[in-house]
Amino acid sequence: EADIYQTPRYLVIGTGKKITLECSQTMGHDKMYWYQQDPGMELHLIHYSYGVNSTEKGDLSSESTVSRIRTEHFPLTLESARPSHTSQYLCASSGLLNSGDSYNEQFFGPGTRLTVL
Amino acid sequence: KNQVEQSPQSLIILEGKNCTLQCNYTVSPFSNLRWYKQDTGRGPVSLTIMTFSENTKSNGRYTATLDADTKQSSLHITASQLSDSASYICVVVDRGSTLGRLYFGRGTQLTVWP
Repeated sequence: EADIYQTPRYLVIGTGKKITLECSQTMGHDKMYWYQQDPGMELHLIHYSYGVNSTEKGDLSSESTVSRIRTEHFPLTLESARPSHTSQYLCASSGLLNSGDSYNEQFFGPGTRLTVL
Repeated sequence: KNQVEQSPQSLIILEGKNCTLQCNYTVSPFSNLRWYKQDTGRGPVSLTIMTFSENTKSNGRYTATLDADTKQSSLHITASQLSDSASYICVVVDRGSTLGRLYFGRGTQLTVWP
């Protein structure tokens, strides 16, 4: 069982609100990721981080921002939520850069289901 | 274009029956292929990881096969249980990037009826 946590699990908010989705892992992983997933669709990478103070945009353009001040935390922020942001957001982390983990297996959190009214 | 295609899109079987899910990919260069199980409202959980040289890998009642020449994989579930109801996602990893880029299929939604 992977030790990666996301809060809140469900969030319903009104348009224009600022929100932060929390993600934390206790495995000491350097790499962390945020994915967006709509029902019946594939996961799309929106942000990733190689380590502290490293953040990069993924393949899917997103109005959200992320930060990586501590190894174990990788929060995602939406400054002004809109109905188009309604989706499931999944956080993941993967092994130490020099751990010999040739698979670079990603472990996923339970997700946050966001609904913007 | 790197893609992962899964079939069928959805499948309904009776408890105790076997089933096989398919995955075709065009990702290159290939690093490894993974099958994940995703319960409704949860994050994906890894079932198997297969590299280029592996043809078959089992995890309990789950058996994955890989044909790297034809770029096809299958996931066979034996003696299905109600708890097998979930989305099964095929993921192919790109060897060409430092990040280990993951390409996701849309999943096969499996429903097991009593």
